[in-house]
Amino acid sequence: KQEVTQIPAALSVPEGENLVLNCSFTDSAIYNLQWFRQDPGKGLTSLLLIQSSQREQTSGRLNASLDKSSGRSTLYIAASQPGDSATYLCATESYSNYQLIWGAGTKLIIKP
Amino acid sequence: GAGVSQSPRYKVAKRGQDVALRCDPISGHVSLFWYQQALGQGPEFLTYFQNEAQLDKSGLPSDRFFAERPEGSVSTLKIQRTQQEDSAVYLCASSLLSRLAGELFFGEGSRLTVL
Repeated sequence: KQEVTQIPAALSVPEGENLVLNCSFTDSAIYNLQWFRQDPGKGLTSLLLIQSSQREQTSGRLNASLDKSSGRSTLYIAASQPGDSATYLCATESYSNYQLIWGAGTKLIIKP
Repeated sequence: GAGVSQSPRYKVAKRGQDVALRCDPISGHVSLFWYQQALGQGPEFLTYFQNEAQLDKSGLPSDRFFAERPEGSVSTLKIQRTQQEDSAVYLCASSLLSRLAGELFFGEGSRLTVL
């Protein structure tokens, strides 16, 4: 059974720093991996989707990488801003069912 | 509509009451998912619809939980005889195509508190 882990659970950094969020998964037979953002009291917003055949995806200041063999993905945020403060979750999708398997998230605080 | 809409946003129920949570997906979206999210946790899958067909309900925690999407658009998640452990945020998501199609669009969720 797939297990997705995100470490650290919380992270606080000063504005302007570059930072990396980590996501690990136990079953490498994934179809894709997605990164989402969740603001307090809100739903989830899809940030980046990496297909299993891809190594990375970029959107603006965000870059997500995928290493299936080691069961790891990272989300890199460049030049962090206070508006980036949110909880970031990763989720994997497999070939065999309809379910996304989620990590518990990393709560990110960017201090002005 | 412009996005996925869920109602009610907040629901307080007494233990033993029945509740119904509604999801209006983005118009034309084939896939619809329900997730349950406990505080401080990632979402847990409940059920999946492709149009009106419920193709996977393996995540529903008990037979008190029931979901339908009779016309392939609006979906309702019903919880009978609510219990305190049902307290959570219930998230609905839709995507344009069938499974493995990629981007999901989420509603803001329905927060259920069972007293």
